Amino acid sequence: EDQVTQSPEALRLQEGESSSLNCSYTVSGLRGLFWYRQDPGKGPEFLFTLYSAGEEKEKERLKATLTKKESFLHITAPKPEDSATYLCAVQASPGTYKYIFGTGTRLKVLA
Amino acid sequence: DTGVSQDPRHKITKRGQNVTFRCDPISEHNRLYWYRQTLGQGPEFLTYFQNEAQLEKSRLLSDRFSAERPKGSFSTLEIQRTEQGDSAMYLCASSLVSGLNEKLFFGSGTQLSVL
Repeated sequence: EDQVTQSPEALRLQEGESSSLNCSYTVSGLRGLFWYRQDPGKGPEFLFTLYSAGEEKEKERLKATLTKKESFLHITAPKPEDSATYLCAVQASPGTYKYIFGTGTRLKVLA
Repeated sequence: DTGVSQDPRHKITKRGQNVTFRCDPISEHNRLYWYRQTLGQGPEFLTYFQNEAQLEKSRLLSDRFSAERPKGSFSTLEIQRTEQGDSAMYLCASSLVSGLNEKLFFGSGTQLSVL
C-alpha cells in the first residue's frame, strides 16, 4: 500500500537555527513528490514538486531534495514567519492521480 | 486567478442532518479533488474529478458521501445523515494538468462540526 511518513512530528527551532524535515515514502511508482505549507485554519499552500531522484528545488530559505525512498526539506536560517505545518505528499503511478499526504511536521521558530 | 473558493467556511449541524458543500475551482482547471482533514492529521483523499467525470473515490468513503461536478465547473460534496465522526475540515483543490506537470491549489476549506 502506498504510504507517506513524516518526521519529526513537531520541531522547535531558534531563529537562525537550520534543520531538516524528513518525508519517507513507499509507492509502487512515483509520479511526483510534493511539499506544502499549511497555516492554522487555512488550506495547504504549494511549495515544491520533485519528480526524480537527485532533483533539488529551492525557494528562499527552503530547499527540497529527493532520493528513491525519501525527501528532505532543508530550512536554512529560519525566521518566525516560517512557523507552520509542512506537509509532504506523493502522487503514485500508474492508474491514479490522487495525492497521498503524510501527517505533517509542525514547525515552530522562536525569535 | 481568484483562487479556489469554498462555501461555507463553517457549518454546524446536528447529527442525522444532511449537509452540502460547494467548491469553485480556479477557472479552466480540469482536475478537482476533495480531501478531509482532522486536527493533527494530513489531508485524507476522498475523491477526484477530471472535468465532469468522477475518476476515483476512496474505498474508505461511505455511501453517505456523494460528490458531483456538473459541466466540469464547480463541485458539490454532500454528506447524508451526518455523524459526529464526520466533523473535520473539508478541503477542495484544483489543478491544470499540463503534460507531466501538476500543481494542486487548495481552497481554505469548510469546517464541519456535527453536534
